[in-house]
Amino acid sequence: DAGVIQSPRHEVTEMGQEVTLRCKPISGHDYLFWYRQTMMRGLELLIYFNNNVPIDDSGMPEDRFSAKMPNASFSTLKIQPSEPRDSAVYFCASRTRDRGIDYGYTFGSGTRLTVV
Amino acid sequence: SQKIEQNSEALNIQEGKTATLTCNYTNYSPAYLQWYRQDPGRGPVFLLLIRENEKEKRKERLKVTFDTTLKQSLFHITASQPADSATYLCALESINDMRFGAGTRLTVKP
Repeated sequence: DAGVIQSPRHEVTEMGQEVTLRCKPISGHDYLFWYRQTMMRGLELLIYFNNNVPIDDSGMPEDRFSAKMPNASFSTLKIQPSEPRDSAVYFCASRTRDRGIDYGYTFGSGTRLTVV
Repeated sequence: SQKIEQNSEALNIQEGKTATLTCNYTNYSPAYLQWYRQDPGRGPVFLLLIRENEKEKRKERLKVTFDTTLKQSLFHITASQPADSATYLCALESINDMRFGAGTRLTVKP
């Protein structure tokens, strides 16, 4: 398996523009998570899905942020309009439902977003 | 409020020694505690998971302990190598809410 795949790796955009981040989880994983990492706040959970259904979006900072998972192999995180304070690395992670084999979460390589 | 603290921001040790990293938490009852390694520019990589009813778990040169009374986990790397240099994150998970500590940056000097 190629692991969790995120695109783009880097995104530079102007304030006010719409940004869409993409994620392909590992095939067969039931859960998908979006995290944001900054120096100040570390890794923060934004939202997670179970079987494509959003379960908890309490970490989404504002209404400018939205996430979708139209099918088991694809998810998007959208920011509209973007602001400089959204600059961070955004990670997608997935995991299997079966914890019996001690699996943790598998993270993608992240998207580094810079809003100027 | 829930808090996860990793003992130090940075830890420097000599090659061959044992590195010990600490993770303390408050106002949390995790079902699982996990440790991850993160290299610059990369996503966290899963290392070990320990359950609330387990005291210790080992994997090759890695050992994790979990004391739910003290609300503390210790993460040991024995016979450390320069290639072990990275940031190590502890994460507490309960019913799919997984929160991370700020991490400890470990540097192993040859």
